[in-house]
Amino acid sequence: DVKVTQSSRYLVKRTGEKVFLECVQDMDHENMFWYRQDPGLGLRLIYFSYDVKMKEKGDIPEGYSVSREKKERFSLILESASTNQTSMYLCASSSYISSYNEQFFGPGTRLTVL
Amino acid sequence: KNEVEQSPQNLTAQEGEFITINCSYSVGISALHWLQQHPGGGIVSLFMLSSGKKKHGRLIATINIQEKHSSLHITASHPRDSAVYICAVRQGAQKLVFGQGTRLTINP
Repeated sequence: DVKVTQSSRYLVKRTGEKVFLECVQDMDHENMFWYRQDPGLGLRLIYFSYDVKMKEKGDIPEGYSVSREKKERFSLILESASTNQTSMYLCASSSYISSYNEQFFGPGTRLTVL
Repeated sequence: KNEVEQSPQNLTAQEGEFITINCSYSVGISALHWLQQHPGGGIVSLFMLSSGKKKHGRLIATINIQEKHSSLHITASHPRDSAVYICAVRQGAQKLVFGQGTRLTINP
């Protein structure tokens, strides 16, 4: 079974803090994704990575950066958290090998920025 | 206008009812996914469709490529089916574009 884990289920931070969200997958997947999910807007892609040290901007990258130093780990960084970054953050991974191209999701991190 | 539109946004029904959730999209796609999200956040994949119809247990998913429309049906609905159902279309190899989700509540 594919397992995607995220470092925290709930996180509360203050405006201006630097925030790290960690995601780890154990199935040797090439592709990893960070989404945020907001009521009425659905999931929106922040960044994705198709290989170690590679990254591509998604639809809403402003205010975020990412790091992928190892294949299994994809980190989302909020350099200076703001209240409008309060959201549910979901990580996912997928493999090119599977023709199904299914994305496997982590449990999510609910981030509140005060 | 969103590229992927779901309807209804909220649906409440009684146990045993037949449920239909609709998804319309306006872009070219390589496949369409139906996902389920339970309270607490975890998302699981239910179906991936590129044509026709698929069935898994009480769930049925159909897609009409010409009309750019898909439906998810639940037969003999049960309270444990209560969740948010999300339609997502795949553009290219990996990128998914998501609908806003349909919150389904099944009352006993």
